[in-house]
Amino acid sequence: QVHLVQSGAEVKKPGASVKVSCKASGYTFSNFGISWVRQAPGQGLVWMGWVSPYNGNTKYAQKLQGRVTMTTDTSTSTAYMELRSLRSDDTAVYFCARVSVAGMDVWGQGTTVIVSS
Amino acid sequence: QSGLTQPPSASGTPGQRVTISCSGSKSNIGSHIVNWYQHLPGTAPRLLIHTDNQRPSGVPARFSGSKSGTSASLAISGLQSDDEADYYCAAWDDRQSGHWMFGGGTKLTVL
Repeated sequence: QVHLVQSGAEVKKPGASVKVSCKASGYTFSNFGISWVRQAPGQGLVWMGWVSPYNGNTKYAQKLQGRVTMTTDTSTSTAYMELRSLRSDDTAVYFCARVSVAGMDVWGQGTTVIVSS
Repeated sequence: QSGLTQPPSASGTPGQRVTISCSGSKSNIGSHIVNWYQHLPGTAPRLLIHTDNQRPSGVPARFSGSKSGTSASLAISGLQSDDEADYYCAAWDDRQSGHWMFGGGTKLTVL
């Protein structure tokens, strides 16, 4: 069974960085991309970007360009999303999702990131 | 701001049929597949419909999707209490060098 398990909640100060992990199991990790999506409190889902475990290619949402880096470690089947220069409006639940030809088909449980001084 | 427009809320009684609309443009729904997700707060979003009208294994036939031009719809028949959730449409958009776009979400209440 396909599972994506994310790291635990984080509390960060403005200006700091956060790195969220997403460990995959139940499928061949390098055969599917990983997208990251976030949901701010009371808001909808927003796509952040995508990374290919096969070759490391990435595509980021324009709004986050320069502040976000998505990487993978195929030896541990783990994807990472690092967000820098955190602001209060980065407070959100962050999800990873496997990307197949059908789109984002399996999601992680979410990681809460709170940015507060 | 979301480029896919959904009604913020919908409601129905048990057993009823409810539809949720998703309006887009030529750069997203008009050119690419539409997916639908069910999301209960505090849980992982669940893929309900992919490629406009395809149900992944395990999704009941009560859920169906359709698309026409730049709009899409999700229909839920035989409404059940545990269908109460937020529903999002999603489509790839060609603008801004390409990105996935979600609708604003529709909160479905089962009365």
